[in-house]
Amino acid sequence: DQQVKQNSPSLSVQEGRISILNCDYTNSMFDYFLWYKKYPAEGPTFLISISSIKDKNEDGRFTVFLNKSAKHLSLHIVPSQPGDSAVYFCAASGPTSYGKLTFGQGTILTVHP
Amino acid sequence: NAGVTQTPKFRILKIGQSMTLQCTQDMNHNYMYWYRQDPGMGLKLIYYSVGAGITDKGEVPNGYNVSRSTTEDFPLRLELAAPSQTSVYFCASRIGPGANVLTFGAGSRLTVL
Repeated sequence: DQQVKQNSPSLSVQEGRISILNCDYTNSMFDYFLWYKKYPAEGPTFLISISSIKDKNEDGRFTVFLNKSAKHLSLHIVPSQPGDSAVYFCAASGPTSYGKLTFGQGTILTVHP
Repeated sequence: NAGVTQTPKFRILKIGQSMTLQCTQDMNHNYMYWYRQDPGMGLKLIYYSVGAGITDKGEVPNGYNVSRSTTEDFPLRLELAAPSQTSVYFCASRIGPGANVLTFGAGSRLTVL
């Protein structure tokens, strides 16, 4: 049972345009959501997060939107840069999970110069 | 401050062999985790620990064992390696309750032939 899903395996955008990565979840107990970025041969690194009490969180070029009724979150990157090319993982945790994260399958983002 | 350090980075095992993946962190984090990532898949939790002497199973614990004798170290033991254990293994840690962001190591790529 895949509780966190990223249905787009890959996304290709032009430099300077917006990248939108999507994530859906099924477990209504999840109350904290995170995006991680991963380069080849490296571990995932934290990018941005959002609590279920909010519907938007911004950090520079990165914005995460949460739609609790649809159990959907998205990551917007504006403007996209070639250095943003990486695998992006959506992750979620619940209030009694001891910080255990449930991850989506990942989306490979390629930003073309 | 090295963060989370994993060794070895690469290892090839024969079916039936055993080995230990090492993980150490120097951030005095109480919570530590082992994940595995298979190609095209998200990270799946193998085992986790909320402090020295306390460990618990994650989503995919079969074929693995862990111990946590110190705050710093959280080794993952593979007994009787099988081809299904070919994967990239990530160790992660976080300070404790209230901090939802995990810090990951660079990963250990294991191939079982």
